[in-house]
Amino acid sequence: DTAVSQTPKYLVTQMGNDKSIKCEQNLGHDTMYWYKQDSKKFLKIMFSYNNKELIINETVPNRFSPKSPDKAHLNLHINSLELGDSAVYFCASSQLVSGNTDTQYFGPGTRLTVL
Amino acid sequence: GNSVTQMEGPVTLSEEAFLTINCTYTATGYPSLFWYVQYPGEGLQLLLKATKADDKGSNKGFEATYRKETTSFHLEKGSVQVSDSAVYFCALTSGSASKIIFGSGTRLSIRP
Repeated sequence: DTAVSQTPKYLVTQMGNDKSIKCEQNLGHDTMYWYKQDSKKFLKIMFSYNNKELIINETVPNRFSPKSPDKAHLNLHINSLELGDSAVYFCASSQLVSGNTDTQYFGPGTRLTVL
Repeated sequence: GNSVTQMEGPVTLSEEAFLTINCTYTATGYPSLFWYVQYPGEGLQLLLKATKADDKGSNKGFEATYRKETTSFHLEKGSVQVSDSAVYFCALTSGSASKIIFGSGTRLSIRP
């Protein structure tokens, strides 16, 4: 009964390919996120969805497209993969409380390697 | 804008040593403050949090006090263990943006 799950855990692919990462949360939260963590462990938010609506869209190439079919799922599709996309991608979820985000719960991460 | 600055690592200590990891913040309004921990090969998990000035968050022997006058939220532990080796992230949320701002992370290694 994992709270936030991601698939796949590892993804190795060639430059130029298109790939997707899936995320699901069973916590009943209304907000979900995608983060990118680089090799130096720096964590950068990419997107956030609240009740299936995009609310945060940081400066991310438009090759990255998130999709939220329902509140419990937030998938990330990446077109035309580049070497610099290699990183660990984390999904997270939280519940907005009085307009502020409460504790975020993270998935185990997806390590993407682009060759 | 809002930001979090934490001490650069890596920090290497011997088992049972005293730990301090400094964290200062810049924020408008009244932020909530967090420490997250990332063990090797895992995602981040909440270690402790404080939601208003002078609150002390504590968990697993770690503690941090929300100091509004110095805009700080330093993490401390009296006696570290090898199992505390991880990367520690200070973070804040403020306002209605639903966004959490993370510091750059501090890698902690504990020698037996």
